Amino acid sequence: DTAVSQTPKYLVTQMGNDKSIKCEQNLGHDTMYWYKQDSKKFLKIMFSYNNKELIINETVPNRFSPKSPDKAHLNLHINSLELGDSAVYFCASSQDRLAGGNEQFFGPGTRLTVL
Amino acid sequence: AQTVTQSQPEMSVQEAETVTLSCTYDTSESDYYLFWYKQPPSRQMILVIRQEAYKQQNATENRFSVNFQKAAKSFSLKISDSQLGDTAMYFCALKNRDDKIIFGKGTRLHILP
Repeated sequence: DTAVSQTPKYLVTQMGNDKSIKCEQNLGHDTMYWYKQDSKKFLKIMFSYNNKELIINETVPNRFSPKSPDKAHLNLHINSLELGDSAVYFCASSQDRLAGGNEQFFGPGTRLTVL
Repeated sequence: AQTVTQSQPEMSVQEAETVTLSCTYDTSESDYYLFWYKQPPSRQMILVIRQEAYKQQNATENRFSVNFQKAAKSFSLKISDSQLGDTAMYFCALKNRDDKIIFGKGTRLHILP
């Protein structure tokens, strides 16, 4: 049973297009995150949501818009895709963001390639 | 500013040997957590071990242990009896109470048969 799932796993698209990546967790966690891993493997947080409320927004271009319809889902919509958006995007979730030692469970990642 | 530095971009060791991956960090917080994550070729991020800064005792998980030196802001990972399945990127990470995880740039570890 997959804990954190993302769709699609691979996404190839043209510059200027709009695309979405979906994330779902079945762990009953309250907090969900989006991370970006660039071509050099550097992993950086983009957003976090706690029970559908935006908590962290890390100076990400406003072409990126996260949407959380309920606490089990956090989708990432990207408008006007640029070459520099090519990366692997990871969704993650944790049970209680205020319990600092809580593990974040990661999804399998979505490799986005912008041509 | 919080930073995490992994000074070894890549390492190779023979199977069954012991290997230590280095990590130093900087934070002005007194309450924080440290993690090692593993990312094998499958791309999945897997938690290897975690350490609460307020605990003096070094965390261990089977073949994985850490050497946590709080004053030196050092958090190294030791893998004993290394196995082929340990081949992966290893990321050191720091989390303060604000829930942001700061990752290091990673160490690519190859276990050689």
